[in-house]
Amino acid sequence: GDSVTQTEGLVTLTEGLPVMLNCTYQSTYSPFLFWYVQHLNEAPKLLLKSFTDNKRPEHQGFHATLHKSSSSFHLQKSSAQLSDSALYYCALSKNYNQGKLIFGQGTKLSIKP
Amino acid sequence: DAGVTQTPRHEVAEKGQTIILKCEPVSGHNDLFWYRQTKIQGLELLSYFRSKSLMEDGGAFKDRFKAEMLNSSFSTLKIQPTEPKDSAVYLCASSFGTTNTEVFFGKGTRLTVV
Repeated sequence: GDSVTQTEGLVTLTEGLPVMLNCTYQSTYSPFLFWYVQHLNEAPKLLLKSFTDNKRPEHQGFHATLHKSSSSFHLQKSSAQLSDSALYYCALSKNYNQGKLIFGQGTKLSIKP
Repeated sequence: DAGVTQTPRHEVAEKGQTIILKCEPVSGHNDLFWYRQTKIQGLELLSYFRSKSLMEDGGAFKDRFKAEMLNSSFSTLKIQPTEPKDSAVYLCASSFGTTNTEVFFGKGTRLTVV
């Protein structure tokens, strides 16, 4: 079946360093990919989605590129901020219905001063 | 504008009890989802409604989990009987259900079964 894999359970970085969170997927179709962010005691919120009409999706300094050849959608940011500390989920959807999502296990990002 | 509202925020149940979690989606949204969140599995889809009709009902969760949507502005998730392995955060989400619309999540209900 379809699946999403996030290999890192916890990533700890010093403020100002670049961020890269890994996401790979398996799917029998060409899915849509998403990144969600969840701050402590808050609801998960959409951060990025893969279908943005040929533009690289970017939000709050984060960006991600869908590579169909390697089935990856890694999340990157050039310089980490303390406020980026949160739980990040990669997810896929097989069609226009974005709510029916398959999520990875999540990566906790911890930024230290 | 109210987002997705879930009540209660915390629930403690004894093994074998019946519990009911509640969700109010964003007004006007057609799709509603229940997810279970754990550290090991991440987020798993439990149920999916479109325009109040049950479209998908959980696979491995069918046994003791039942979600209902009696009207477009209210949904419940019943767990009967509860087991300690059900301890998790239960998230409700909603969306318009059309192309390129965002899914909005509630803050969740943290369930502890002792």
